[in-house]
Amino acid sequence: AQRVTQPEKLLSVFKGAPVELKCNYSYSGSPELFWYVQYSRQRLQLLLRHISRESIKGFTADLNKGETSFHLKKPFAQEEDSAMYYCALSGLNQAGTALIFGKGTTLSVSS
Amino acid sequence: EAGVAQSPRYKIIEKRQSVAFWCNPISGHATLYWYQQILGQGPKLLIQFQNNGVVDDSQLPKDRFSAERLKGVDSTLKIQPAKLEDSAVYLCASSSRGGAGYNEQFFGPGTRLTVL
Repeated sequence: AQRVTQPEKLLSVFKGAPVELKCNYSYSGSPELFWYVQYSRQRLQLLLRHISRESIKGFTADLNKGETSFHLKKPFAQEEDSAMYYCALSGLNQAGTALIFGKGTTLSVSS
Repeated sequence: EAGVAQSPRYKIIEKRQSVAFWCNPISGHATLYWYQQILGQGPKLLIQFQNNGVVDDSQLPKDRFSAERLKGVDSTLKIQPAKLEDSAVYLCASSSRGGAGYNEQFFGPGTRLTVL
């Protein structure tokens, strides 16, 4: 079954602390993994994708196929990082390119 | 460029009533998606269009939900009759191409439906 699991509903950290948002997936095939973010009163938007291997707003995520994980990390959290984060996957070998989302993790960064 | 537009933003109806949502994708985007997001869950695909053809509607409850994308541009999602469990945010997204391989999806603001 195709599934994305985000085990934490809420993650609270202090400003300057490291952040790791966990994501595990189940997919039979070659998935592409993404992190989407939704800031307060804004639209859901793409944060990063594993294929591009880039750092966005200080966040990075590495695809670990052995552990079927795609955890999102940032070494020093900022208050503006507070948002809802969704891990998602899309199959690379299917005609339908829709995303399968996890339930999301709320990140709260306080000073 | 203008983003994905959706209307209405909010809708409250009684169960067994009908409701329709409208989506205008980013100009030139061939692929359009409708997702349902129930409170506390991530978005779940209802239907995907490539131009005016349906690519995937396997998760659309076809006994009550219908969707169309006339002329391959705007799309309408309808629920008839609505049930309490249809209370959710309905998100529309578009991307510039379909087919195998991912292309970034751009999301609209969503329509929040409450069924009483």
